[in-house]
Parts: sequence; structure tokens; C-alpha cells
Amino acid sequence: DADVTQTPRNRITKTGKRIMLECSQTKGHDRMYWYRQDPGLGLQLIYYSFDVKDINKGEISDGYSVSRQAQAKFSLSLESAIPNQTALYFCATSASRDRDISAGELFFGEGSRLTVL
Amino acid sequence: GNSVTQMEGPVTLSEEAFLTINCTYTATGYPSLFWYVQYPGEGLQLLLKATKADDKGSNKGFEATYRKETTSFHLEKGSVQVSDSAVYFCALSVSNAGGTSYGKLTFGQGTILTVHP
Repeated sequence: DADVTQTPRNRITKTGKRIMLECSQTKGHDRMYWYRQDPGLGLQLIYYSFDVKDINKGEISDGYSVSRQAQAKFSLSLESAIPNQTALYFCATSASRDRDISAGELFFGEGSRLTVL
Repeated sequence: GNSVTQMEGPVTLSEEAFLTINCTYTATGYPSLFWYVQYPGEGLQLLLKATKADDKGSNKGFEATYRKETTSFHLEKGSVQVSDSAVYFCALSVSNAGGTSYGKLTFGQGTILTVHP
């Protein structure tokens, strides 16, 4: 089983609908992230959470919200989806210890492809 | 602010050709540098990293050297294979002088590599 699992893997929806993308991890990491990938733009950070009580906006948080239900779960919501939110969404985790040898290394899920019509 | 610029793609090579993908960065603080690879239909995975100037990261025949004087982290491989076909992302994360990692990555736009037999 994958260490970072995203559901659904693919979703087609209509403008104005509410959508939730879910992420769960078995790596035991405190830090979790949601990124969006658009062709030619790389990955852009939407939200990140350094522990259950910590939620932070990233570069492109407008139109999105998140919930950290537990250390292992981090969900992304689009309250009212619009077509320019069509993209590939990635959840990622990382270790939390400062000066950790793996600090900065992210572990990604396989992605959730969202299409908004 | 922090930013990463990668060479424009896509890059198409024949098997056993030499590969270079250029990456330059701007950063405040003390950056660590990464190359991630994304195979078709999968999430990103770490290929190699370097955490201080003049460090060389290497993995699977790929190498990159952290050049502070030129703010670069170019990816190289002496002889590519068809299985290397993927999208390659350069990324950085920034720590402060005390080594505290902020835990977020800034990505370049990605370079598509296609290797033909």
C-alpha cells in the first residue's frame, strides 16, 4: 500500500459544486501539504499544516480550504468549484524535526485529477 | 522571495546520450536544493539533493552540484535510458541560520524528458 494515499484519483464535477479531496498517510509525519500542478507551471503550494492545530496558507489558497482531522489525515475542499481549478492535486508529507537529515524532502501521493466543467 | 527557474523543455534525446537540465535559483536564507522526478501517472519522488554549497547529490546515475557562486543546481546524466523518460523538477527549501527548516518547497516549472531507443 502507498504511504500517502489520495482519494479520489479522478473526479469530474460541475461549476459551483463542492468538492473534497482526501489524503491519508502512514509515514508518521507531522507535516502535510496540498499542491496544485498545472502544465508549464510546476507545483504551487495551496495550504500546509505542521501539526494538527496548525494550518497555513500557501501561495494560492483563494477558493480553497483545508481540514487536518488527525495527524494522518489532511483534506482539501473547494467550496464552489470553478473551471480554472481544473488541475492535478498532490498531497505530500515531510518529517518535522529541525535539522532532520530528510528535512525538505517531501513524500507525494499519486495525485487527484480534478476537472471542473 | 524564493524562486526556481528551469530550462525550457521538452527535451528529446536518443538512448545513451548525455543529459543536462539547467536549474538556477534565488533564495533568502540558506537553501537546500532538490531534484524530483515524476514518472507518467505517478506522484513526484526525490531523485537527489544537496544541502550546502559544493555538495554533490547523486542517484541512479544522475548528478547535480550545488554551486553557490552561480546559484545553480544543474542535473546531469552521462548516458540516458528510455526508462528515464519523465518530468524533472528542481526545487529548493530554505532554512534559517540556526538550521531550522521551514519545510516548504519552491518548485521550478518542470522539464519533460523523452528518451527514444
